[in-house]
Amino acid sequence: DGGITQSPKYLFRKEGQNVTLSCEQNLNHDAMYWYRQDPGQGLRLIYYSQIVNDFQKGDIAEGYSVSREKKESFPLTVTSAQKNPTAFYLCASSTRTPSNTEAFFGQGTRLTVV
Amino acid sequence: AQKITQTQPGMFVQEKEAVTLDCTYDTSDQSYGLFWYKQPSSGEMIFLIYQGSYDEQNATEGRYSLNFQKARKSANLVISASQLGDSAMYFCAMRELYNQGGKLIFGQGTELSVKP
Repeated sequence: DGGITQSPKYLFRKEGQNVTLSCEQNLNHDAMYWYRQDPGQGLRLIYYSQIVNDFQKGDIAEGYSVSREKKESFPLTVTSAQKNPTAFYLCASSTRTPSNTEAFFGQGTRLTVV
Repeated sequence: AQKITQTQPGMFVQEKEAVTLDCTYDTSDQSYGLFWYKQPSSGEMIFLIYQGSYDEQNATEGRYSLNFQKARKSANLVISASQLGDSAMYFCAMRELYNQGGKLIFGQGTELSVKP
């Protein structure tokens, strides 16, 4: 089955530690996205990538980093510079623009700083 | 600048009635796509409907229809015959097809509650 997989589902991090969230897709999509969602809020774009080895900052990139070495994978690192990392993180993928196809989402990772 | 606005934080609707969720957008691109997603309490994102900027007809998918008014830059979602399972967060989203390198952004969402 084709789809997009995020792992882990729940993640706990100590203050001052970096942590990496995994996102893998087998939909052969060129474009991938990372979003942050706080309780009762909308999705805010962290980073996005339209092609391998290239990515752009979204609206809230500070304290986060990404890589896109393979088409299937777009891992997100939450660094110690991110002051308030506790949130729900969603990864998505889609065909590359111009396109009218929707983005497909993973099940999300819930990150908690302890 | 690319922007999506949903002005209704919460909405209530009686079961079996229709409801309209508002969405306005701002873009300088002539080519763009508009999307609506549903997010139940489980957190998954479910795609509902798509409207392209050059589509002359309003999109429909089952009980969902999109009231697209290009001159007013609005893309309201209409849900007909509401069901209890429609209770969820609803997000409007936009992707510019040429500017912004395909950036996909979302509004703040509307929480819909369907009453029996």
